[in-house]
Amino acid sequence: EAGVAQSPRYKIIEKRQSVAFWCNPISGHATLYWYQQILGQGPKLLIQFQNNGVVDDSQLPKDRFSAERLKGVDSTLKIQPAKLEDSAVYLCASSSPERTEAFFGQGTRLTVV
Amino acid sequence: AQKITQTQPGMFVQEKEAVTLDCTYDTSDPSYGLFWYKQPSSGEMIFLIYQGSYDQQNATEGRYSLNFQKARKSANLVISASQLGDSAMYFCAMRASRSGNTGKLIFGQGTTLQVKP
Repeated sequence: EAGVAQSPRYKIIEKRQSVAFWCNPISGHATLYWYQQILGQGPKLLIQFQNNGVVDDSQLPKDRFSAERLKGVDSTLKIQPAKLEDSAVYLCASSSPERTEAFFGQGTRLTVV
Repeated sequence: AQKITQTQPGMFVQEKEAVTLDCTYDTSDPSYGLFWYKQPSSGEMIFLIYQGSYDQQNATEGRYSLNFQKARKSANLVISASQLGDSAMYFCAMRASRSGNTGKLIFGQGTTLQVKP
């Protein structure tokens, strides 16, 4: 089966610009996650979707970050305006009730200069 | 609140030797799951092994085994017969079982493992 797809792989933007990331989960996976991984740290959950509904967005900086999963399949994460501290790898993952583990994409490495 | 602690920022191991990566956790949930993921330089997180809090036996998957000591709240990963391809970042993670298989993961800070030829 195809894995979790993310694009772009790399993005460099200036502070105060906007950026968007795209994720396509494994087919049939109703649960989708966006994690932020700052260099040298473990991933931290930003937002979790169940189909097209938000389950947990308690760690999402809502003044600048937004995410959507309109048709319950692929998802976009947007940052506007970006800050220097947003430089990180943004990982998308998906899971299903039938499997114990979550499956991760290769991530998007964002550098804000 | 749930917390994962990995106290070894970096580890070295000689090829073909065994290595133990430490992980301690804290949770008030009576039921939970513990995971280990590998993150090579390419960036993707690769699932290695899972241990449920009520599992009686320690989990094993090929060269990976999880040394689960519930009373000490530790879930150390043991890699036997290390290979050069094992060089990567390793993360311990926890999920509350009340969320089923679709709950969020709480990750530790990771341990960088380098295998020497």
